[in-house]
Amino acid sequence: SQTIHQWPATLVQPVGSPLSLECTVEGTSNPNLYWYRQAAGRGLQLLFYSVGIGQISSEVPQNLSASRPQDRQFILSSKKLLLSDSGFYLCAWTAGGSSYNEQFFGPGTRLTVL
Amino acid sequence: AQSVTQPDIHITVSEGASLELRCNYSYGATPYLFWYVQSPGQGLQLLLKYFSGDTLVQGIKGFEAEFKRSQSSFNLRKPSVHWSDAAEYFCAVGLPGGYNKLIFGAGTRLAVHP
Repeated sequence: SQTIHQWPATLVQPVGSPLSLECTVEGTSNPNLYWYRQAAGRGLQLLFYSVGIGQISSEVPQNLSASRPQDRQFILSSKKLLLSDSGFYLCAWTAGGSSYNEQFFGPGTRLTVL
Repeated sequence: AQSVTQPDIHITVSEGASLELRCNYSYGATPYLFWYVQSPGQGLQLLLKYFSGDTLVQGIKGFEAEFKRSQSSFNLRKPSVHWSDAAEYFCAVGLPGGYNKLIFGAGTRLAVHP
């Protein structure tokens, strides 16, 4: 069966520091991968998605970037964190291909920028 | 533009009472529709989905939802709520055309009184 992992689970970082959040998927090949941010009391905002290695699409201009160095690995990064980057970051995957498929979510990373 | 509206931010029900969570969407064609549930500090779990066919769909944990095209709605229901159903519920619309992207509502937080 497929599983999705995210780490770290929680992170507290000072303003201006770099960020790297990692997401990996097991048990599937060539998934579509997604990064979402959930601000307190708000819904989920799609940040990035990827349909293949090295292919990244950005949904919202911001202080963050994403990379997909391997088929089942998706990384969210920042060179200098802002206070507004605080939130709950969720990674998700779905089967690739032409048919529509539901997304499956990881456990999330709670990021606090101080 | 596509959007999802969940009119109720908070709902409180008594254990054993019935539940209906509202969801309205704005989309030009028949969308793919989803309900997810999120326990505090956790990722999202898929409750049910509607792609086509029977407009009443059954999900996990005793939930069901009904797609009403004329009302652009996809309301979630449960006949008898359990204390463990306390969580946040998100309605989402999937956009055809590739990439399996989702647009989420802002969520409804459900509290259950004993």
